[in-house]
Amino acid sequence: DTAVSQTPKYLVTQMGNDKSIKCEQNLGHDTMYWYKQDSKKFLKIMFSYNNKELIINETVPNRFSPKSPDKAHLNLHINSLELGDSAVYFCASSGSPRSYEQYFGPGTRLTVT
Amino acid sequence: TQLLEQSPQFLSIQEGENLTVYCNSSSVFSSLQWYRQEPGEGPVLLVTVVTGGEVKKLKRLTFQFGDARKDSSLHITAAQPGDTGLYLCAGARGAQKLVFGQGTRLTINP
Repeated sequence: DTAVSQTPKYLVTQMGNDKSIKCEQNLGHDTMYWYKQDSKKFLKIMFSYNNKELIINETVPNRFSPKSPDKAHLNLHINSLELGDSAVYFCASSGSPRSYEQYFGPGTRLTVT
Repeated sequence: TQLLEQSPQFLSIQEGENLTVYCNSSSVFSSLQWYRQEPGEGPVLLVTVVTGGEVKKLKRLTFQFGDARKDSSLHITAAQPGDTGLYLCAGARGAQKLVFGQGTRLTINP
């Protein structure tokens, strides 16, 4: 069974569109994260949720809005997509905000044309 | 400003050789983790080190946390093609956030 899953795996869209990426974890973890990995493979945290509450928001543009319907799901909605949003987006989870060990999903490669 | 600097960024060696990858910072971390990422997949946690000077071994991989908890190293003995991948170090500052290094892309040639 996949521990952290994301859909879609690939997403190609045009500038100005709105898109969503979904993430689900079946590990029973309380904390979930969204990361962005750029073309140079630099991985940077965007958001963190603990039990459906936002605990980290790393100066991400307002066009990015995470939503956590329950603690097993954390979705990422992006409005008015820009070329610079092209990247691989990873969802991750951990047992708690104080847990150092994070489990990553397979990533969603977003290409904005 | 990059909090965690990894070196080298690229490393290509022959099967059977030994290698060391470094992760350095001027900041103190409460813990440090090493991940390996393969193409098209997410990072997979290899190890977490918490105590200054701590050494952990995972088969042919040896991880060390610096005494001052500012740096770490990953040593691979007798590298194999299956070790090929992107190695990422990540430091925990406080409880909630990991800061990642830029990665070391390792290629082991048969």
